[in-house]
Amino acid sequence: KNQVEQSPQSLIILEGKNCTLQCNYTVSPFSNLRWYKQDTGRGPVSLTIMTFSENTKSNGRYTATLDADTKQSSLHITASQLSDSASYICVVSGPLDTGRRALTFGSGTRLQVQP
Amino acid sequence: NAGVTQTPKFRVLKTGQSMTLLCAQDMNHEYMYWYRQDPGMGLRLIHYSVGEGTTAKGEVPDGYNVSRLKKQNFLLGLESAAPSQTSVYFCASSYREGTYEQYFGPGTRLTVT
Repeated sequence: KNQVEQSPQSLIILEGKNCTLQCNYTVSPFSNLRWYKQDTGRGPVSLTIMTFSENTKSNGRYTATLDADTKQSSLHITASQLSDSASYICVVSGPLDTGRRALTFGSGTRLQVQP
Repeated sequence: NAGVTQTPKFRVLKTGQSMTLLCAQDMNHEYMYWYRQDPGMGLRLIHYSVGEGTTAKGEVPDGYNVSRLKKQNFLLGLESAAPSQTSVYFCASSYREGTYEQYFGPGTRLTVT
């Protein structure tokens, strides 16, 4: 079964520090990998989208890396801010049973940035 | 430009009641999706549409029906609500598949008692 596993489940860091979130996936065949940020009570918002040929992609203080050979991705947050407190969701594009593509969502890492 | 909007924001139903969730997008997107999000689990696709007048089943379609009569609207119906349908429902839209971004609405929190 196609799966996306994220670690850690939750993380607390101090404002200004860096952190790295991990994502392992078994989705095959693989098309692309996304990272979303979801604030409490809101819908997810896209941070990055990477195809299998891309190793790294940045969006401001967010940098995602992808190793398609080991099926691993990470999201690095630099100089964290209080507004970074949210859930971060790893999403992999893979096939539906019908043959169409669909997104498989991880359960997320809940990040809390403390002052 | 409101993006993706959902109504209602909250709803409480009794078992067996029916209701319709409305999703609207103003980005002229072809693709629209309904997901549910449960604690400790990733979002799961219920139904989706690749254009006006089309619908298709996702990963967890049982107990739900959908309609896409207008390009900008995607309706999710629960004919006979069950406690297992207590969840947060998200609608999303995208211009195409592939690497096109999916834009999500704010969600509808549904409780079935």
